[in-house]
Amino acid sequence: DTGVSQDPRHKITKRGQNVTFRCDPISEHNRLYWYRQTLGQGPEFLTYFQNEAQLEKSRLLSDRFSAERPKGSFSTLEIQRTEQGDSAMYLCASSLLGAETQYFGPGTRLLVL
Amino acid sequence: GQNIDQPTEMTATEGAIVQINCTYQTSGFNGLFWYQQHAGEAPTFLSYNVLDGLEEKGRFSSFLSRSKGYSYLLLKELQMKDSASYLCAVQGGTDKLIFGTGTRLQVFP
Repeated sequence: DTGVSQDPRHKITKRGQNVTFRCDPISEHNRLYWYRQTLGQGPEFLTYFQNEAQLEKSRLLSDRFSAERPKGSFSTLEIQRTEQGDSAMYLCASSLLGAETQYFGPGTRLLVL
Repeated sequence: GQNIDQPTEMTATEGAIVQINCTYQTSGFNGLFWYQQHAGEAPTFLSYNVLDGLEEKGRFSSFLSRSKGYSYLLLKELQMKDSASYLCAVQGGTDKLIFGTGTRLQVFP
């Protein structure tokens, strides 16, 4: 257990529904990252925050995806109008500014039917 | 473009030594990481290299050559629990990690 928690751990939804995931980073970590991982692939970067500010978003992050970190602590990732191609493991990681290592949470596994 | 290459699968015998190679081409370089990932679980941090040379940590060592865009992870005295995927990741010009597809290692008795 790295200290990064994610909720829920599993989510099954129907195509077209909206889903929201939550990530709680290690308490003193000011950087928070979201990645997506599909079977047999490495994680792909989606977006990251330093405190409340969203500093970078991947081109993978379509308009249906939005992420927030309103108070610089926990973060949420929302997917609107889910598609079957959104089925993946969504991973959150956190790090301390000035330290390089990112520590990953257990992930949220999403299945869109 | 950004590209990280590592073998898809490797097999080895319990007690042996295995070397997993990684080559990379990225715009910018702030360090190279190795993570271990068991099936269905999150990646766990193994090692970090930013300068050329070998970093040793118990049974695991990692090597970096920045001029060659090359790294390897060396696992000694293999145990069955080492069966997992090993992810090579580069921190490029920004702070995000760029991952390879991972190398699935199977350790046999």
